[in-house]
This record gives sequence, C-alpha cells and structure tokens, in this order.
Amino acid sequence: GAVVSQHPSRVICKSGTSVKIECRSLDFQATTMFWYRQFPKQSLMLMATSNEGSKATYEQGVEKDKFLINHASLTLSTLTVTSAHPEDSSFYICSARGGGTFYEQYFGPGTRLTVT
Amino acid sequence: GNSVTQMEGPVTLSEEAFLTINCTYTATGYPSLFWYVQYPGEGLQLLLKATKADDKGSNKGFEATYRKETTSFHLEKGSVQVSDSAVYFCALSESVGTSYGKLTFGQGTILTVHP
Repeated sequence: GAVVSQHPSRVICKSGTSVKIECRSLDFQATTMFWYRQFPKQSLMLMATSNEGSKATYEQGVEKDKFLINHASLTLSTLTVTSAHPEDSSFYICSARGGGTFYEQYFGPGTRLTVT
Repeated sequence: GNSVTQMEGPVTLSEEAFLTINCTYTATGYPSLFWYVQYPGEGLQLLLKATKADDKGSNKGFEATYRKETTSFHLEKGSVQVSDSAVYFCALSESVGTSYGKLTFGQGTILTVHP
C-alpha cells in the first residue's frame, strides 16, 4: 500500500528558532499534499494544501509566513515553523494524494513539536 | 461550512461487546463520508467509506451506513477485539467546489477494548 513518512517523529526546540518537518511519499508520486495540526483530544485541522511546483493554499486563520510549506518534488513536502513559540507546540500530520480518487489520502505518522 | 460531530469518548468495552460510535455531519453539498482509524504510533488509515446516500461501507467487521435523512454515519461492529483499540475519526469530503478533496474530521473517539 501507499506509504507516507514524516521526519522527525519528535522535535524539541527553543522559542524563537525554526523547525523543519519533512513529509515523503515513499512508493507513489504525490501530486497534492496536505498539512494538518492536531491538538490534544481534538480533531485534525487542515492547515494548508500544496500541489507540486505551486504555492501552498492556506486555510483561513493560518499564518503563511509562520508556517512555510514547500512542495518541491512529487515525493517531498516540507513544513517549516518559523520563530516558533510555545503555542506552536502541537502534533503535525501530513497526508499525500496521488492520481487516485479525490478523497484518497495517505497519512504520515505525525511529528510531535514541543517548543520550550 | 462543513462540520463533523462524533460522540465523545473514551469508549471502554470488553472483548466481544457490540460497538457503536455516533457521527453526524453538516455539509453544504453532497459529501462522501469516511471512517479513519489511528493505531498507536501509526498514521491514520482509511477504515471504510460511503460516497452516496444509503451506501453501506464495511471493512474488518466494521460497518457504517450513509443516512442522508438524519445526516449520520454511525460506526458499528458486532464483536470487538483487543486489537481494535485505537482512535476512530469520522470525516467527510466534498467532490466539487472550493472544498474539493479536503477532509473535515470529527474530534476522534478513543476506543479501548479489554480482554
């Protein structure tokens, strides 16, 4: 089946620094990738949608200058949290869609970000 | 906008018990409906889906029927196993419009099954 990986699985950083999270589709070409944020005991909230070679489309209320998304190839998308603050601490999940049906998304295992 | 509401958990059951996790939705169009499962340490996996009214999705003994009249998509299993312990998410996606292909999730329900 389609596999999506994320790296790192956990990261701790100091307030004010930037952190990059990678999302890779291992065995298929991902034309579209999605980034979600999950708070404890809450749902996944879509942050942005990225298509390979295009600028990401951000959901309302998501700061695009704070959460930089790059989808440089058909197998890799990155999320960079810039000037991180404790309130950015969360679980970040990516998913990827290839050429299948509109709803077929394959999810990565997530990255736990803690900002101290 | 679209939204999904799931019954609050956690849900704790004994092995072989009957499971129901309620899910209702609001949508502007004609969404497709999904249940995803997240096992500890793993990514979300699609458990089952239904793309139109009265469709029944089924997989691994789990079932859910798309009820347009009650805007519901309740998840059921007749006899749960310890290995079913996971977090279950109800979700919807639109096939047209500005929300094309985007998933809207419920808050998730933690299921724990004891031997």
